[in-house]
Amino acid sequence: DAGITQSPRYKITETGRQVTLMCHQTWSHSYMFWYRQDLGHGLRLIYYSAAADITDKGEVPDGYVVSRSKTENFPLTLESATRSQTSVYFCASSDDRDGYTFGSGTRLTVV
Amino acid sequence: AQRVTQPEKLLSVFKGAPVELKCNYSYSGSPELFWYVQYSRQRLQLLLRHISRESIKGFTADLNKGETSFHLKKPFAQEEDSAMYYCALSGQGYSTLTFGKGTMLLVSP
Repeated sequence: DAGITQSPRYKITETGRQVTLMCHQTWSHSYMFWYRQDLGHGLRLIYYSAAADITDKGEVPDGYVVSRSKTENFPLTLESATRSQTSVYFCASSDDRDGYTFGSGTRLTVV
Repeated sequence: AQRVTQPEKLLSVFKGAPVELKCNYSYSGSPELFWYVQYSRQRLQLLLRHISRESIKGFTADLNKGETSFHLKKPFAQEEDSAMYYCALSGQGYSTLTFGKGTMLLVSP
């Protein structure tokens, strides 16, 4: 089930560093999403994209930047990582309203 | 604004017991409701959605618009059902999915 892949799977970075999480899908789905998963908060939407070059903020966008120059890629960049951004990040894609397909997640630790 | 509430953080049952994971939502229009499951350290997987009316792995869920609920049920829990379960809502037209905070289901032998 390699239709949507995230890299890296694990990442440790230092406070203040820039880090980019990658997401690639092979279905040409129009929609792509970034969520963060935290205990007590569930999944919260960071950013999403309806098509190439179209992105929009979700519930918790501060400190994050996204781009979507190609339909299949949707990288998420933390411009200056903070400890509060330690989390598990999930990318997802969808072509319609029938639910999302999620990647395996990236576990990010900011020290 | 749309909101999903899962009142139980943890639900612990014995194998063979019935299970009901509660989900309530707040949305002014006609929502689409979903249940996702996440097994230990794995990706989230779509379990079922209300429009398909399917039963997956013995689980069912009925949308009750009067009570604004979409509770997940299974008559006889199995140990392999132990996982985190998320209820999610999508609004009219295409919109993003809003998730509840999740309920951890633990099924003991």
